Amino acid sequence: QVQLQESGPGLVKPSETLSLTCIVSDYSISSGHYWGWIRQAPGKGLEWIANIYYRGNTYYNPSLKSRVTISVDTSKNQFSLQVSSVTAADTAVYYCARRTWLQNGWFDPWGQGTLVTVSP
Amino acid sequence: QSVLTQPPSASGTPGQRVTISCSGGSPNIGSNSVNWYQQLPGAAPKLLISNNNQRPSGVPDRFSGSKSGTSASLAISGLQSEDEANYYCATWDDSLNGPVFGGGTKLTVL
Repeated sequence: QVQLQESGPGLVKPSETLSLTCIVSDYSISSGHYWGWIRQAPGKGLEWIANIYYRGNTYYNPSLKSRVTISVDTSKNQFSLQVSSVTAADTAVYYCARRTWLQNGWFDPWGQGTLVTVSP
Repeated sequence: QSVLTQPPSASGTPGQRVTISCSGGSPNIGSNSVNWYQQLPGAAPKLLISNNNQRPSGVPDRFSGSKSGTSASLAISGLQSEDEANYYCATWDDSLNGPVFGGGTKLTVL
């Protein structure tokens, strides 16, 4: 059963770059599917950040596109997220998830999430 | 401000049937299928309903989904205390060219 686990620093300073990795277990990223990042600010709802296809095709939320980079490393069976020039508004729990297909698909399963706090 | 509109809260007593609505527009619910996620307190979201009304393996048949036009609904029958959670609808938005979520509905079992 596929499992996803986020990793990365829990504290990032304002104006710096947030970097997270999602390690995928018991499923080869190269087998297909899309992979995505979703975040949830404290006490708020879910916000889609970006998706990537295993071949490297990328898709971004227009509201974040200028600051976000998603990438995949099939040799390590993981994919990553970078958010540049972070502010307090980027403080959130960041989830990685597998997406069945791009348009009429869904996110399943999800990682447990990792809290990233932006603070001096 | 979420693209999809959900009531912020809902409640019911054990055994009751509750419904949670999700309202959108032509570029999203009107053109694409709807999924529902359940987020238990302190946990990651979990897929509850896919493709408007399909239950993944392991999801009790007390949960059902429907869609009509630019709106969708999640129904929970035989409400149980463990159903207390936040519920999110989601779909694809053709204008955004990406997935969108509702603001979430906090379900309280009285």
